[in-house]
Amino acid sequence: GQQLNQSPQSMFIQEGEDVSMNCTSSSIFNTWLWYKQDPGEGPVLLIALYKAGELTSNGRLTAQFGITRKDSFLNISASIPSDVGIYFCAGQNRDDKIIFGKGTRLHILP
Amino acid sequence: GAVVSQHPSWVICKSGTSVKIECRSLDFQATTMFWYRQFPKQSLMLMATSNEGSKATYEQGVEKDKFLINHASLTLSTLTVTSAHPEDSSFYICSATSVNYRDGYTFGSGTRLTVV
Repeated sequence: GQQLNQSPQSMFIQEGEDVSMNCTSSSIFNTWLWYKQDPGEGPVLLIALYKAGELTSNGRLTAQFGITRKDSFLNISASIPSDVGIYFCAGQNRDDKIIFGKGTRLHILP
Repeated sequence: GAVVSQHPSWVICKSGTSVKIECRSLDFQATTMFWYRQFPKQSLMLMATSNEGSKATYEQGVEKDKFLINHASLTLSTLTVTSAHPEDSSFYICSATSVNYRDGYTFGSGTRLTVV
């Protein structure tokens, strides 16, 4: 089935550093989504990408949809403590189902 | 807008009993709701898709008699874990979408099920 390969699996950074994570797939998705999940909570949508090559920002977050519709990256600038959590990329296919990547755990060192 | 409420947030039950989890869209009519399962430190795995008024569509490997899904109205879907066993312990999350919302889907806050 469709799978998303997300990397890195985890990151340890200093507060104030920039963060970059990416996602690739062998399948084409209509829509690419980036979510953040805090412990014990459901995922919250950060950014949605609809067009190939689209670059979208949401505050300190920037994400781009690859030209081939098979990859995307998410950047977080000037990280702060509340950025800690698990970030998931997800692709929405033709059946409107959302398939999730395995997640990137972001840790911020004191 | 686009708020999804999930209840209960956590539940502990004995093996062999059934547990019902509710997913409600509070401020919109959800034409489609999805149920996911998440094991610790793992990703969300889609279990089934439910459309209002019709039978749910289950993903490969998900037992439909084990996980009963009912989507009787445009604002409520329920997942019943029947004859629960310890291996059913997991975090269950629902999401809902509507033709009026383009920006992905809204997720509930999840239900932590522990079967003892």
